[in-house]
Amino acid sequence: SQQGEEDPQALSIQEGENATMNCSYKTSINNLQWYRQNSGRGLVHLILIRSNEREKHSGRLRVTLDTSKKSSSLLITASRAADTASYFCATDTLGAQKLVFGQGTRLTINP
Amino acid sequence: SQTIHQWPATLVQPVGSPLSLECTVEGTSNPNLYWYRQAAGRGLQLLFYSIGIDQISSEVPQNLSASRPQDRQFILSSKKLLLSDSGFYLCAWRSFRLGEAFFGQGTRLTVV
Repeated sequence: SQQGEEDPQALSIQEGENATMNCSYKTSINNLQWYRQNSGRGLVHLILIRSNEREKHSGRLRVTLDTSKKSSSLLITASRAADTASYFCATDTLGAQKLVFGQGTRLTINP
Repeated sequence: SQTIHQWPATLVQPVGSPLSLECTVEGTSNPNLYWYRQAAGRGLQLLFYSIGIDQISSEVPQNLSASRPQDRQFILSSKKLLLSDSGFYLCAWRSFRLGEAFFGQGTRLTVV
């Protein structure tokens, strides 16, 4: 089952600009995570935000979480061509051991 | 350090043939294990997850099954493949404490 829904499905920006991706989910969560996938490869974990946190930073990444709206956003600042990839949010469902992913946002950074 | 191995990387199988994909984890004990399938340009669909040996939860009823004969081994199987089973299969593990997941490199399965 798909829980996270990312928006937009695709995003194309110029190098140096900021990229913002959004994720909505449906159930109560332990935490929400963001992953990156280069074409044809496995996923790599970027950042985890717990349900009692509202904002988290890691390098050029900033994640926010609004549990009242069941939504999260991922901001990548000062984008680089190497940031081109698909980005997925994943929800760790409260009371379960499963990690459910959304459809992803395909990000293209134009040099 | 922990590592996850998934093989083969690519596989072309005829319709009606059996399937066995294997995933093993090293460097950790009692991991939670996951099988996902990804259609081209789409998100990850959770197929099975396991919190322990012989403890398998199925998320989507379909032509596939999973087994966990050992603590760090997770196997995805099918008795007879369908065309619709084609896709990119990903295995992942994470600590029983939950948190980030670590993925294998995936198996691209094409059923012909």
